[in-house]
Order: sequence, then structure tokens, then C-alpha cells
Amino acid sequence: NAGVTQTPKFQVLKTGQSMTLQCAQDMNHEYMSWYRQDPGMGLRLIHYSVGAGITDQGEVPNGYNVSRSTTEDFPLRLLSAAPSQTSVYFCASSYSGGREFYEQYFGPGTRLTVT
Amino acid sequence: TQLLEQSPQFLSIQEGENLTVYCNSSSVFSSLQWYRQEPGEGPVLLVTVVTGGEVKKLKRLTFQFGDARKDSSLHITAAQPGDTGLYLCAGADSNYQLIWGAGTKLIIKP
Repeated sequence: NAGVTQTPKFQVLKTGQSMTLQCAQDMNHEYMSWYRQDPGMGLRLIHYSVGAGITDQGEVPNGYNVSRSTTEDFPLRLLSAAPSQTSVYFCASSYSGGREFYEQYFGPGTRLTVT
Repeated sequence: TQLLEQSPQFLSIQEGENLTVYCNSSSVFSSLQWYRQEPGEGPVLLVTVVTGGEVKKLKRLTFQFGDARKDSSLHITAAQPGDTGLYLCAGADSNYQLIWGAGTKLIIKP
């Protein structure tokens, strides 16, 4: 199993540009989520999905869109990049039932810089 | 707003020393997890504690969940350079959300 994969690994955008961060998992996990990690602030939840066709907002959803058309894929779209979105982005997945729901498997991250 | 405070924020010690990292909150959690993150990688789950007072050991790492399920500690015995990384705790609240601590950056010098 590849686990959770993310592309690209690094990205530089200019203010106002849009892009999509890709995330895929091959563990048949129903729950998938996107986090951003900034120094001294821990992980903050952007959006999450409990299954194909179902998405919901997390703590910091503004400026980001998601969709979940399949169990495997959960792309994150930046609509109009801003310098405040410079961060490291992590995709995570987990089983949807019981205590295992909280045991997150993370991808390697995408380091995004917006100039 | 639920908070999970980790201390210390940064710790640099010599190989062979012991250390303890703390994760504290005023909220009760149904479970609490510890993750380790190495530079350029995503966090990796180390352990989940569920029962108040529970102690789990993972080789030289000992994890404890507080009796009231509001706090947790991670103790490392005879630290090694391979233990270097960012240690994150995360508590599961009653709304099925994970509350994350800001992390403890640990450096073990050879």
C-alpha cells in the first residue's frame, strides 16, 4: 500500500493564482481531511469528508474548496492564492468507525509559498 | 474554544538523558493520541490512550493519560538522536473532532 500520497511536494504561486493540491489514499478509508501547519500553531483543520459526496468545513475553510467524488481522492483547491496561505498542507485519512476514526494517517505534505 | 497546551515548546538535550513532555487541557477527551513528525514528513501516530490513568509503553517511550482524561504525558528514557522530531498530541472531543496541541520540538544531541 502507498498509504496517503500528495502532489506536488513543493509549489510557488503568485498572489491571485489558483491551484489544486492532490491527495489520494489506497486504504479504503472513508474519512479524509486537509490540515495546514504553521509554526507554533499546530495543525488546523481546513475541510473534511466522511465519505464520497460528503464534505464539511473545518476551523479555517476560507479561501479553500474541496470535493470528494471517489473514496480514494480528496483534492484541495485554492481559489485565489494569498500570502496568508503560505503554509505546509497535509492530507490525512482514517477509518470512519469507533476509536480508529481518530487515528490519522498523514501524507508527506505540500509546502506552498505564495508571493 | 478547546485548547490543548503542550510544554515545553522546545527541548534540546544530550543523548542518554531522560525527558518528559506534557499535554494539558481543561477539557475532557474520549481519547488522546501522540504523533511524531520528522522534518519534511507528515505526523506518524505513536499511540492512542483511552482510559483515565492508562499507561502505555513503546520501547523507551512511556505514555500516560491523566485520571480525569484532561492531560497526558510522554516520557522518554535514555533519549537517542533518532528520537529527534516534533511531538504532537491530539485529543478527541465529544463532537468527533481532534483538538491539536502546537507541538514540542525535541532535539537529541549525540
